[in-house]
Amino acid sequence: AQRVTQPEKLLSVFKGAPVELKCNYSYSGSPELFWYVQYSRQRLQLLLRHISRESIKGFTADLNKGETSFHLKKPFAQEEDSAMYYCALRRYGQNFVFGPGTRLSVLP
Amino acid sequence: ETGVTQTPRHLVMGMTNKKSLKCEQHLGHNAMYWYKQSAKKPLELMFVYNFKEQTENNSVPSRFSPECPNSSHLFLHLHTLQPEDSALYLCASSQDQGQDYNEQFFGPGTRLTVL
Repeated sequence: AQRVTQPEKLLSVFKGAPVELKCNYSYSGSPELFWYVQYSRQRLQLLLRHISRESIKGFTADLNKGETSFHLKKPFAQEEDSAMYYCALRRYGQNFVFGPGTRLSVLP
Repeated sequence: ETGVTQTPRHLVMGMTNKKSLKCEQHLGHNAMYWYKQSAKKPLELMFVYNFKEQTENNSVPSRFSPECPNSSHLFLHLHTLQPEDSALYLCASSQDQGQDYNEQFFGPGTRLTVL
């Protein structure tokens, strides 16, 4: 069965520091990987997907099939990045499986 | 209103009550989803409808009953719930359940409290 783990429930960094939110998955095939974000009092929304290989709000994520990881990184964290981040996996044509989420707190 | 809307935003009900949650999407999507978000568990998929047909029931107790009268509307009928059913219930939609790299758009959720 597919599974997504995010080992950190809470991650606190200072403004301007690098941040890495970890995501590991278990799935034997070729998955689709996503990062969703939920800012305070806002709805859950897509941040980025691995197929796009793009940078959104300074965040990037690289799919490492060897390590079955899809860590989310940003070189310089901003206070407005404070939010709940969910890693999600989807088999082609199937439903999403979400990780438990990591709350990122960026301190001034 | 654009996107995915959910009503009510907050609901408090007793264990013997019957209530319904409503979700509406204005995106022209064909797939709609119900998720349960509890404090101590990951986001749990409950039901999926694709082109008005239920394609997934993720072992959800029968006290939760979904209804999808058309591709734009999704209901979750609730009866004889338990306190442990208290959670945030999220609705989402996507273009098509089977499409590759199918982004899901989420509603704001209904915060349900069962007394």
